Amino acid sequence: AQSVAQPEDQVNVAEGNPLTVKCTYSVSGNPYLFWYVQYPNRGLQFLLKYITGDNLVKGSYGFEAEFNKSQTSFHLKKPSALVSDSALYFCAVRDGNTGNQFYFGTGTSLTVIP
Amino acid sequence: GAVVSQHPSRVICKSGTSVKIECRSLDFQATTMFWYRQFPKQSLMLMATSNEGSKATYEQGVEKDKFLINHASLTLSTLTVTSAHPEDSSFYICSAREQQGGRTDTQYFGPGTRLTVL
Repeated sequence: AQSVAQPEDQVNVAEGNPLTVKCTYSVSGNPYLFWYVQYPNRGLQFLLKYITGDNLVKGSYGFEAEFNKSQTSFHLKKPSALVSDSALYFCAVRDGNTGNQFYFGTGTSLTVIP
Repeated sequence: GAVVSQHPSRVICKSGTSVKIECRSLDFQATTMFWYRQFPKQSLMLMATSNEGSKATYEQGVEKDKFLINHASLTLSTLTVTSAHPEDSSFYICSAREQQGGRTDTQYFGPGTRLTVL
């Protein structure tokens, strides 16, 4: 079965510090991995994805994520957090071999403290 | 990235009425669109998968006669909440799958529709 876990409901970080939002996944086939960000009362915005190739993926707004097959993780990172990064972040996975469906984590609320 | 629009962004209706929500992919064709429901401070719950030219596939527990989905073209899917009740009040989000081979397989989301049933 496919699933995604985001172990932290809430992450707080000081402005200018590096941030990490964790995600682990479980798929039976090839994992296609995604990160989305959601601002209040808005839809989800695509940040980045891993399909194949380089394990370090760079995305929008300075975010990046590293695919780690042995740890089945796809943590989202940014070297220097901005207050405007405060939002809800969702990790998602799709089995690249089968099906349409994306499976979403429960979301992590990131607060960047000025 | 690709753009998906949703209309209306916010709707308030009386109990017992029906509400239609439109989802459009503006700059790409989407053979597959998805409808999600999101409760406050919770993740997205997939309601159904909408396939152009065929019947939607509903997730377990979602009433297909209450949540009518029509995907009549490659750029438009509609969700109609029939005989709405206050418990249907929620944030409804659609997404469209852009698929040009595996490397560009990405879901793009609409901005969401806030439905309030009085």
